[in-house]
Amino acid sequence: EAQVTQNPRYLITVTGKKLTVTCSQNMNHEYMSWYRQDPGLGLRQIYYSMNVEVTDKGDVPEGYKVSRKEKRNFPLILESPSPNQTSLYFCASSPGPVGDTNTEAFFGQGTRLTVV
Amino acid sequence: AQSVSQHNHHVILSEAASLELGCNYSYGGTVNLFWYVQYPGQHLQLLLKYFSGDPLVKGIKGFEAEFIKSKFSFNLRKPSVQWSDTAEYFCAVGGRGSTLGRLYFGRGTQLTVWP
Repeated sequence: EAQVTQNPRYLITVTGKKLTVTCSQNMNHEYMSWYRQDPGLGLRQIYYSMNVEVTDKGDVPEGYKVSRKEKRNFPLILESPSPNQTSLYFCASSPGPVGDTNTEAFFGQGTRLTVV
Repeated sequence: AQSVSQHNHHVILSEAASLELGCNYSYGGTVNLFWYVQYPGQHLQLLLKYFSGDPLVKGIKGFEAEFIKSKFSFNLRKPSVQWSDTAEYFCAVGGRGSTLGRLYFGRGTQLTVWP
C-alpha cells in the first residue's frame, strides 16, 4: 500500500531534549516536505527536499533541521525543542512539484508533539 | 506573495443543510487546487483536486468544487451535509512552475454538523 509513515504519532518531551521525528515513503517520490499545523494558522511548511541531499527552508524553519540521505526517508530533527514548537506535524511526499500537472501530495498521519 | 484565504473559520449546520466553503487564492500564474479534510484526531485526506479542464470537479463523499479563474476562487460545496462531515477543511494551492514542492494552505474551516 502506498503510504507516508511518520513516527512517533504522539510525543511529550521536555525543553532542550533533542528529538527526531521520522518520515518514510514507499512511493519512490522525489519531493518531501514537513509542515506544522497550529490552530487558526493552517499548515505551514518547515522544510522541503527535492531529492537526496537537496533540502531547503520553507516558511518556518527556525529551530528545525532535516536530512535526506536516502530517497525514502526525511527525518525532522529538533536539536533543542522549546514549548513554542508544540504542534501537530505532517510529513508529505509527491513525485514532483505539487504545482506540476497532475501532481498531488500524500500526507502522513501526523505527529502530535508537546514540549513542556 | 502567494496566499490562500478561507473566509469562514467555523461553520455550524444542521444535517441535510447545504454547504459552501469559500476559498480565494493569490498567485501570479497557473495553479493546482486542492481541498483536504481532517476528521477529529486523524490525518489530512484529499477530498478533491483541480489540475485543468472542467472547472467543476467532483470529489469523494459527495463534495464538489468549482474553480472560477476570474475570481481566483475554488469554493467547496455539498448539497446535503451529514453529521459525519464534521471536520476541519483546508483549501490548498500549488503554483504551476514552482520548484519548491510547496503547498500553500488556508487557515482552515471547522465544520460542525448537528444531527
